[in-house]
Amino acid sequence: DQQVKQNSPSLSVQEGRISILNCDYTNSMFDYFLWYKKYPAEGPTFLISISSIKDKNEDGRFTVFLNKSAKHLSLHIVPSQPGDSAVYFCAASGPYSSASKIIFGSGTRLSIRP
Amino acid sequence: SQTIHQWPATLVQPVGSPLSLECTVEGTSNPNLYWYRQAAGRGLQLLFYSVGIGQISSEVPQNLSASRPQDRQFILSSKKLLLSDSGFYLCAWASRTSSGNTIYFGEGSWLTVV
Repeated sequence: DQQVKQNSPSLSVQEGRISILNCDYTNSMFDYFLWYKKYPAEGPTFLISISSIKDKNEDGRFTVFLNKSAKHLSLHIVPSQPGDSAVYFCAASGPYSSASKIIFGSGTRLSIRP
Repeated sequence: SQTIHQWPATLVQPVGSPLSLECTVEGTSNPNLYWYRQAAGRGLQLLFYSVGIGQISSEVPQNLSASRPQDRQFILSSKKLLLSDSGFYLCAWASRTSSGNTIYFGEGSWLTVV
C-alpha cells in the first residue's frame, strides 16, 4: 500500500517556465512533508519541507504548497533552470512515535529543455 | 557540521555470498538512522530505521538485517544475497526539529548481485 504517491513519473518543462511537481498521500496522520532532489548515482539532497500547520513554505525559487483536505502537496520551481533536471521525491512522516518513519514517493523525473 | 559516510561505494557480489554495508555519522549524537534502497527505476524504499543503539525497526520482510552497535554506526547485512537484492542502498540520518525529522543521505552504495 503506497502511502505517498507521485503519479507523474516524468515531466518536461521549458527553461525559464514554472515546474510543478505533485504528490498525494493517504495517511491523514502525516504532519510533516519534505521534497528531495536526486541526481543519478548520488544520494538525495534535501530541498524544502513543510509542517501541516502551514499551507505554504517558500525558499528562493522553491515553494511547497500543502492542501490537507485533499491530502495533496506540490513543489513549484520558478524559474526552472537546466540544473533542476533531476528526479524529485516527496516524503512524509507522522507525529510522535511514528515521526521516525519517513516514507517516500516513487519520484518524478524533471527534464528542463532549452 | 554533520557528515555521513557509507561504504563501499560499489560492490559486485555473487548470489549466496554475505553482505556488509557500513554507515557512520559525525557531528551529531543520538541520531535516527535509516537504510533505504532504490531498485532500478523505482522509488526509495525504507528498509530499516533505528532510534538508538540496538533498536532496529524493520519495514519489509526480506533477506537483509541491520544492526546499530554504536550510537553513530549503522550496518546493513545479509548472510546470503539474492539476485533481487541488487540496487542502490542509501544510509541516512535524521535531524530532529520541533516540526519533524529532516533526513540527510549518504553518497549511496551500488550493489550488483551476479
